[in-house]
Amino acid sequence: SYELTQPPSVSVSPGQTASITCFGDRFEEKYASWYQQKPGQSPVLVIYQDIKRPSGIPERISGSNSGNTATLTISGSQPMDEADYYCQAWDSGSAVFGGGTKLTVL
Amino acid sequence: DVQLVESGGGLVQPGGSLRLSCAASGFTFSTFWMTWVRQAPGKGLEWVANIKGDGSERYYVDPVKGRFTISRDNAKNSLYLLMDSLRAEDTAVYFCARQECGGDCSIDYWGRGILVTVSS
Repeated sequence: SYELTQPPSVSVSPGQTASITCFGDRFEEKYASWYQQKPGQSPVLVIYQDIKRPSGIPERISGSNSGNTATLTISGSQPMDEADYYCQAWDSGSAVFGGGTKLTVL
Repeated sequence: DVQLVESGGGLVQPGGSLRLSCAASGFTFSTFWMTWVRQAPGKGLEWVANIKGDGSERYYVDPVKGRFTISRDNAKNSLYLLMDSLRAEDTAVYFCARQECGGDCSIDYWGRGILVTVSS
């Protein structure tokens, strides 16, 4: 079965750029989606089809996908960006999530 | 506005059964794939199952195959998850969610989730 691997945690200083990676075999042949989840809340879609942002998601959140790695980039990190982030892809009709990355802004 | 509201969760003994429901509104329910995602306490997201708009296709994650059944009633704008032979490891918050499929699918709207606890 297909697997997605994320680092458990990433730290960033306020105002700096955070990058969260997601590794999957030949991931560039699939589309990556990314979800943000804050404590006690439901996940929110922040990136789909590798690079697209749903309405209401700020431009400082962006995505890319090349080779075996998809990357979520948050520019000008703010305390409100502290959350768990999950990458996701589809494999033979089934969804696969990465293990999640806890982003700390401090 | 799109709304997804889960119900039917609670405490159940190992080996027991439970049926989750999800009431959908604010969109044309019958034209969307729908999915269930769960999250064990303190753990990450795990996709459980999904079903095509007309109910003709369904997919399940391996650990629930043969035990869980996803279904829908488009006349009632409702999604269901029948869970049989429940195990302690099925304890989780279960989210009902909508799949938007245009070129590729993403899960664009989520319910607030409902807790299922499997314990004696």
